[in-house]
Amino acid sequence: KQEVTQIPAALSVPEGENLVLNCSFTDSAIYNLQWFRQDPGKGLTSLLLIQSSQREQTSGRLNASLDKSSGRSTLYIAASQPGDSATYLCAVPYNAGNNRKLIWGLGTSLAVNP
Amino acid sequence: EPEVTQTPSHQVTQMGQEVILRCVPISNHLYFYWYRQILGQKVEFLVSFYNNEISEKSEIFDDQFSVERPDGSNFTLKIRSTKLEDSAMYFCASSDQGSNQPQHFGDGTRLSIL
Repeated sequence: KQEVTQIPAALSVPEGENLVLNCSFTDSAIYNLQWFRQDPGKGLTSLLLIQSSQREQTSGRLNASLDKSSGRSTLYIAASQPGDSATYLCAVPYNAGNNRKLIWGLGTSLAVNP
Repeated sequence: EPEVTQTPSHQVTQMGQEVILRCVPISNHLYFYWYRQILGQKVEFLVSFYNNEISEKSEIFDDQFSVERPDGSNFTLKIRSTKLEDSAMYFCASSDQGSNQPQHFGDGTRLSIL
């Protein structure tokens, strides 16, 4: 059974810091891993999808890495800004035929202070 | 950029009443999903739908829940007789053909059961 864990649960940093969010999963047989952003009371915005064959994926100030063998992914945010304040979620698909349900972590709640 | 749209954004209903949550997935997508997120908890998979039938449903998705794709664009989740514990944010998602395609999410419907 796939379990996804995210640490830390919460993080508060001053503006400008580079930071790392962690995601771990118990079953390394994954097809990909998605990182999402969720603002309070809002929807889920996909940030990055990293394929199982990739080690890194970048979008602007965001960089996601994936180490399948150790069951870990990290999301690196460079030069953090107050607008980055949100909850960051990672999710992996459980693939069985046409079913691709996502298994989710609880998220890291990030506060970037001006 | 095409997006998944959900209506209503907020639904308040008396316990025991029926609710229908509506979603318009991205037009050329083939796979459709409903997830829910109870406040402070992980996002949970409810059901996946492909080729006009349910691919998989979770243990949460009991006889009180049903899904339909009544026409070529809408995808609905019905809860027949709502309970207090159905209060949650409900998210619809869709994805394209291929095991490595990302899931795209709507902004969610906040369901409050009184």
